[in-house]
Amino acid sequence: GQNIDQPTEMTATEGAIVQINCTYQTSGFNGLFWYQQHAGEAPTFLSYNVLDGLEEKGRFSSFLSRSKGYSYLLLKELQMKDSASYLCAVMDSNYQLIWGAGTKLIIKP
Amino acid sequence: SAVISQKPSRDICQRGTSLTIQCQVDSQVTMMFWYRQQPGQSLTLIATANQGSEATYESGFVIDKFPISRPNLTFSTLTVSNMSPEDSSIYLCSGATGYEPYEQYFGPGTRLTVT
Repeated sequence: GQNIDQPTEMTATEGAIVQINCTYQTSGFNGLFWYQQHAGEAPTFLSYNVLDGLEEKGRFSSFLSRSKGYSYLLLKELQMKDSASYLCAVMDSNYQLIWGAGTKLIIKP
Repeated sequence: SAVISQKPSRDICQRGTSLTIQCQVDSQVTMMFWYRQQPGQSLTLIATANQGSEATYESGFVIDKFPISRPNLTFSTLTVSNMSPEDSSIYLCSGATGYEPYEQYFGPGTRLTVT
C-alpha cells in the first residue's frame, strides 16, 4: 500500500530552526511536495522536489532522498506566523497526490 | 499561479438535504480535484473532475452521493447528496496545470455542518 509518515506535532522556539521529516512508500514517484496550512485556511504550496538534494527558498529548505524514501522541510529563523500544519505529499505514478496526515508546528516565544 | 474561489464558504444544512459547492479558477487548469478534510486531519481525495465527462472517483466515494460536474476548464461543482452528520467536513477544490512542478492550488474551502 501507499503510506506517508510524518510526526503529528512538533514544538519549537521563535528564532530557532526546526526540521520536519517525512518518509514515504508509494507506487511510483513523480515528486514530493510540502504545503503549509494555517488553521481554518487552505493549504498553500511551499516546495517541490523531484531530484535528490536540497532546494532552498528563503527561510525554508526541502531535502529529498529517493533511495531512502525520505524528505525533510527545514524552517530557519522561526517566526510566530510559522505556526501551522505542514503537509507532505507524494505524486505517484498516476500523477495523483498521496497526502501525509500533516505535522502541527507550534512556535513558542 | 492560479487563484481559486469557492462558494459557499460555509453552510449549515439539515440531514437528508443536498448542497452544491461551486469552484471557479481564474486561469485554465488541466486538472481539478475535490477533497474532503476533517478537522485536524489531512486531505482525502474524493474525485478528479474531468472536463465534459464523468469524474473519476476514489475508493469509498460514489457518484450518487457526490455528483461532480465540470462543464469547462475553469468551473466545477460538487454536490453532497442526502447529507448526514458524517458528511460534516471541509470540502476543498484544487486545480493544477498538469505541468512541472505540478503543484495544486487550493480554494479557500467550504465548511459544511450537517445537523
